[in-house]
Amino acid sequence: GENVEQHPSTLSVQEGDSAVIKCTYSDSASNYFPWYKQELGKGPQLIIDIRSNVGEKKDQRIAVTLNKTAKHFSLHITETQPEDSAVYFCAEEEYGNKLVFGAGTILRVKS
Amino acid sequence: NAGVTQTPKFQVLKTGQSMTLQCAQDMNHEYMSWYRQDPGMGLRLIHYSVGAGITDQGEVPNGYNVSRSTTEDFPLRLLSAAPSQTSVYFCASSYLGTNEKLFFGSGTQLSVL
Repeated sequence: GENVEQHPSTLSVQEGDSAVIKCTYSDSASNYFPWYKQELGKGPQLIIDIRSNVGEKKDQRIAVTLNKTAKHFSLHITETQPEDSAVYFCAEEEYGNKLVFGAGTILRVKS
Repeated sequence: NAGVTQTPKFQVLKTGQSMTLQCAQDMNHEYMSWYRQDPGMGLRLIHYSVGAGITDQGEVPNGYNVSRSTTEDFPLRLLSAAPSQTSVYFCASSYLGTNEKLFFGSGTQLSVL
């Protein structure tokens, strides 16, 4: 299958600062890119997704940007809060109705 | 609505034993899937189904069987458990009939000794 590289693996920010997580992918035919948040002891939860015909999408403090030429997409969280602390996963949709996930980023927001 | 319900939450098996992880959803979702989560590797797709009677393999299907006799249920069977199958297993479903906008269960933590 195709690979999705996610960076950084851990990220610590001060409350109120911004956090950025970046993913790169290799399948140029991919058209769908979701981001999931996983809190301790729970299953992942979709927080935002983007399609390849859109360059940016925002939902309150969360935004995702997509650069299809460079094959990378990023999650931006502004004004971080302690409840943003979690593991974040990016993913891309591979041909054949399959999602390929990145390895995850542990985000810690220090208050 | 209970959403996606997985049972059991924890399970310990001995090598060679078989068991079934249960997954049920009450949202009338056509698409259901099973993932395993291992440290540093994200989530990997085991099997998925786009509707009752239809199943297909994902990225890591070996050692696992699935069936989809109803829209609501999608059990995952371990035929002969191996230590390499120690993992956290997640079931997910989607109302879109595809892998988009997945709703995940709370997971089953499986240890194979």
